[in-house]
Amino acid sequence: SQQGEEDPQALSIQEGENATMNCSYKTSINNLQWYRQNSGRGLVHLILIRSNEREKHSGRLRVTLDTSKKSSSLLITASRAADTASYFCATDGSGNTPLVFGKGTRLSVIA
Amino acid sequence: GAVVSQHPSRVICKSGTSVKIECRSLDFQATTMFWYRQFPKQSLMLMATSNEGSKATYEQGVEKDKFLINHASLTLSTLTVTSAHPEDSSFYICSARTDRGDEKLFFGSGTQLSVL
Repeated sequence: SQQGEEDPQALSIQEGENATMNCSYKTSINNLQWYRQNSGRGLVHLILIRSNEREKHSGRLRVTLDTSKKSSSLLITASRAADTASYFCATDGSGNTPLVFGKGTRLSVIA
Repeated sequence: GAVVSQHPSRVICKSGTSVKIECRSLDFQATTMFWYRQFPKQSLMLMATSNEGSKATYEQGVEKDKFLINHASLTLSTLTVTSAHPEDSSFYICSARTDRGDEKLFFGSGTQLSVL
């Protein structure tokens, strides 16, 4: 089954810095999604990028997609302590098809 | 956004008992719900796809007699961990898509199961 693989596995930065997380996947996709999970909680959808899109913005989030390299990146600009969480990419999902999640990146933003 | 409510948030039980986890879509109908399991600092592993009015579809390696799924209505799916053992201790999360054609998933807040 398809699965995103994020790197790095863990990332620690100072407040105000930018955080970049990468995701690679194995097969062709229709869309790729990024989710955030606070410790001990459910996941929250952040952004979806379709296979025919190269870049998408949402507030302080910027997502890129390179289908030729089968990779995506999530950039969080001007990070805040509240951004501390785990971030997961997930490939393809619609209707009755489940999302398959990568291993995630644990981001720590130090105030 | 859509809301998925999951209960209980935390449960501690003795080995051998059964535990039921409920997942409700509060403001939309969900013909399909997904149950995931997550170990500490690891990814979500899909356990099963729950379909309203029919049998759930289990992923390879997931025991259907161990993890009973019932999706009796368009707003409620339940996962029952039968005869729980310490190795079943984990974080269980349900999710669903709305009936409005969303591609994103809405998640419950998860259930931390600890089996003593």
